[in-house]
Amino acid sequence: KQEVTQIPAALSVPEGENLVLNCSFTDSAIYNLQWFRQDPGKGLTSLLLIQSSQREQTSGRLNASLDKSSGRSTLYIAASQPGDSATYLCAVPNSGGSNYKLTFGKGTLLTVNP
Amino acid sequence: DAGVIQSPRHEVTEMGQEVTLRCKPISGHNSLFWYRQTMMRGLELLIYFNNNVPIDDSGMPEDRFSAKMPNASFSTLKIQPSEPRDSAVYFCASSPGLAASTDTQYFGPGTRLTVL
Repeated sequence: KQEVTQIPAALSVPEGENLVLNCSFTDSAIYNLQWFRQDPGKGLTSLLLIQSSQREQTSGRLNASLDKSSGRSTLYIAASQPGDSATYLCAVPNSGGSNYKLTFGKGTLLTVNP
Repeated sequence: DAGVIQSPRHEVTEMGQEVTLRCKPISGHNSLFWYRQTMMRGLELLIYFNNNVPIDDSGMPEDRFSAKMPNASFSTLKIQPSEPRDSAVYFCASSPGLAASTDTQYFGPGTRLTVL
């Protein structure tokens, strides 16, 4: 059974700092890995999706990397802003026929202080 | 498009009452998912529909939970009777195709359910 772990559970940084969020998974036979953002009282918004054949994916100040063999992914946020404050979750689909089923980590709560 | 629409946004009910949560997926999306989020267990998939047909309901916790998708633009999740341990945020999500291997899931804002 796939397990996804995110460390740290919470992170507080001053505005402008670069930061890294970590995600690890136990079954390396994944199709892809997604990073989501969740704002308080709202649903999840997909930030980046990295296919298993890719090593990284970039969108603006966000860069996600994937190392399947070690079962790890990182989300790098450059020049953090207060508006980046949210919970960030990573998720991987099951392998095989049930690849519609995503296993989520419990998230990292990020606070960027002005 | 307005995105995935869920109603109500908040529901407070008493133990034993029936609760019905509603979802309108993004138009043209073939897949619909119901999730439950709690502090203890995080996000869990309850049921998955493809082309209005339930494909996987293995995440539905008990017979008290049921879900329907009578057409491509509407789904319900019903809990009868509700219990305090059902208190959680329930999300509906939709995606264009079948496989999460290529498709992003688009989430609604969720329904926060409190059962007293």
